[in-house]
Parts: sequence; C-alpha cells; structure tokens
Amino acid sequence: ETGVTQTPRHLVMGMTNKKSLKCEQHLGHNAMYWYKQSAKKPLELMFVYSLEERVENNSVPSRFSPECPNSSHLFLHLHTLQPEDSALYLCASSRRQGTYNEQFFGPGTRLTVL
Amino acid sequence: AQKVTQAQTEISVVEKEDVTLDCVYETRDTTYYLFWYKQPPSGELVFLIRRNSFDEQNEISGRYSWNFQKSTSSFNFTITASQVVDSAVYFCALSESPHLSSRDDKIIFGKGTRLHILP
Repeated sequence: ETGVTQTPRHLVMGMTNKKSLKCEQHLGHNAMYWYKQSAKKPLELMFVYSLEERVENNSVPSRFSPECPNSSHLFLHLHTLQPEDSALYLCASSRRQGTYNEQFFGPGTRLTVL
Repeated sequence: AQKVTQAQTEISVVEKEDVTLDCVYETRDTTYYLFWYKQPPSGELVFLIRRNSFDEQNEISGRYSWNFQKSTSSFNFTITASQVVDSAVYFCALSESPHLSSRDDKIIFGKGTRLHILP
C-alpha cells in the first residue's frame, strides 16, 4: 500500500456507540493530523501528532480522543457523539523536517451519527 | 489573525476554457506559507503547490499556474485549457508556522471553490 490509508471509509453509528477511526501512512512521515470537514464549513484541524507527541487542541470536545501508537498509525476514538459530529474525517501526514512540508491526505471516513 | 478567503463558491466553465480561482489571505506574519489542494469527488485532498512568503516567483506546472501577489495578499490559481478531470473542489490554505508543533500553530483553509468543467 502507498500513501495514506483510512478505515473504514464509511461509518454509521448511534449516539451511544463507541467506534474508532484508523489511519495509516506509508510515507515515512513523522507528523500526523486529524481534520474534520463538515458541509459548508472550512476544513478544521482537530489534532496534531508531531514526532508522536500530541499537540493539545482544547477546542475539540472530549468525545473525540486521538491515539498515536507510532509514527505510522493514528486513531480517532469516538464515543457518545452528537448528530452534528457527522462529517468527513480526514487524516494527513507530513515530514517534520526543514522548512514547511506539505501534508498528504487520506481518502477520509464519512461518518454519520444517528 | 489568519484568514483565507475564497470568494468564488462555485464556478462552471466549458471544457478547454481557462479558469482562475481566487485566494486572498490575511496574516500579520512576514513569513508564512500558502498552499493549494484539490479535492476530487473521491474525497482525498491532493497537494498541488506550496509557496513560501519570501519567494514571489510565479510557478507553472503543465496546465496549472499560480500567481502570488504579496502587494494584494493574493495567491490565485489558473487552469489553462480545462478538462473534465479538473472538476473538483479546490482549497487554498495558509500557515504561519513551518511545522504544526505547538498549540498556537495553525493551518487555515479557505471554504473552497467547487469547479465544474462541462464537456
């Protein structure tokens, strides 16, 4: 596999469910990101893991919990979500070295919360 | 504060026409980074270009070209001889940091321009 992969591609869950989104990058990068893309809203950066250390983002509700076990994998654990959390969740990675390096995105997980 | 404005919500052109997507940004920093991404119907954002604030050279890559004008805080994207495969949502983005490594580092995306290329 190449690039950035995300599973599942589609997910439907109830508000009381617990689920996890998975992201894997095969590019040798050392920074990974979660983004939320809602209809009619700009792309929002949710979390950053740089060199496997999490950069705090206090604006994201605690019902979203990221996990980065190593530089190639990133998870987003979901619990007690709300219908307004329905969106496309995109994972990205980049190489944290030198001047700014562009982010490479996965295909996203389309999440629907009922 | 950072801000990226893509005033064109949706554009439709006929195939082979040229089309320019506008991007206007706001930043207080003298060093910053601008990006364009393409999001086809499959959903994945595809990186197109990065421009550093200290490099004002315009760039051409095949049918794509970018016009960076610091004086007007604009970073416009032109597709020449458009093709149906160019149909997508295009995002302009701005970052003031070389790396997103602290809580104050941000990358701000515009709302995107949906481009329809009609056959």
